[in-house]
Formats: sequence, C-alpha cells, structure tokens
Amino acid sequence: EAQVTQNPRYLITVTGKKLTVTCSQNMNHEYMSWYRQDPGLGLRQIYYSMNVEVTDKGDVPEGYKVSRKEKRNFPLILESPSPNQTSLYFCASSLSDRDPGGYTFGSGTRLTVV
Amino acid sequence: GENVEQHPSTLSVQEGDSAVIKCTYSDSASNYFPWYKQELGKGPQLIIDIRSNVGEKKDQRIAVTLNKTAKHFSLHITETQPEDSAVYFCAAYPPRGSTLTFGKGTMLLVSP
Repeated sequence: EAQVTQNPRYLITVTGKKLTVTCSQNMNHEYMSWYRQDPGLGLRQIYYSMNVEVTDKGDVPEGYKVSRKEKRNFPLILESPSPNQTSLYFCASSLSDRDPGGYTFGSGTRLTVV
Repeated sequence: GENVEQHPSTLSVQEGDSAVIKCTYSDSASNYFPWYKQELGKGPQLIIDIRSNVGEKKDQRIAVTLNKTAKHFSLHITETQPEDSAVYFCAAYPPRGSTLTFGKGTMLLVSP
C-alpha cells in the first residue's frame, strides 16, 4: 500500500531533550515536506526537500532541523524542544515539487513538550 | 509569497443541506488549487482539485469553482451527510514556488 509513515504517533517529552520524528514513504517520491498544525493557524510548512541532499526552509523553520540522506526518509529533528513546539506534525510527499496534485500525508505525530 | 484566506472557520449545517467554503489567493500566477479533507485523527486527504484553465469541476456531490479574475475559488458540497463532517483545507500552488500554501481550514459539522 502506498503510504507515508510517521513515528511516533504520540510523544510527550521535556524541554531541552532532543527528539526525532521519523517519516518514510514507499512511493519513490522526490518531494517531501513537514507541516505543523495548530488551532486557528492551519497547516504551516516547516521544511521541505525537493530531492536527496536538497532541503529548504518553509514558513516556520526556527527550532527544527531536517535531513534527506535517502529518498524515502525525511526525519524532523528538534535539538532542544520548547513548549511552543507542542503541536500536531504532518509529513507529506509528492512525486515532485512540480506535481503538487500528488500530496500524500502521513497520519500525524502529536507532540507535547512540558 | 502566496497568501490564502479561507472562510468561514466553522460551518454547521443540517444533513441534506448544501455547504460552501470560500478561499481567496493573492498570487495571480497560481495555477493549481486543491481541496483537502481531514477527518479526526487522520492526515489531510485530497478530495478535489482544479487547474487555472478550468472554471468548474464536479465529482458526485462535491464541486469546485474558480474565478481567476477575482482570485477566489470555492468548494461546494451538496446533500451533506454526517460523514462529511471534517476539517477542510484549500490550497494554492504558485508556479514559481515549490510548495502549496494552505488556508487556515474550515471545520464543517453536519448534524443528522
């Protein structure tokens, strides 16, 4: 089944403790992206990647890092999480950045930073 | 960059009524406009989309209209059912950019 898999689905952590949220897709998509969803603010893009070793900042990149060493994986790294990063996170992928019609989203990761 | 405004933020209708969600965009060069449905506990899923060379597209009970001159597009759901209850997002894709810009979402509640 074609899908985007995020792990974990739920995570509670403490301020300052480094964490990684994994994202993997099995569709050979070039383009991958991370969004955070907050009430009243909709979906805001954190980082995106147009291909292996190519990443770029979205609208809200502060406090996050990403890497794209392999085509299928696009982990989101929070080096020193803070409470304002408590949010619902989604990873998405599509065939390429020139094919926005093919966005597939993961099921989300709900992160709580205390 | 592109800016997408979406209204209303919440919409309550009775089963069988029609629902309309409206979005405006700022970049006249944007040429692709998808709509996503997000059910509780799930990621957004594409339900319908329209490209700038088309004024209207229909798929069973849902339709999307696009007015390029006014830079707005709308989602129309007819004969609403309780399973239509979800958050709906519109988005716009500017050809110069590499990403979709989303509206803030509309929570649709369909009461039996």
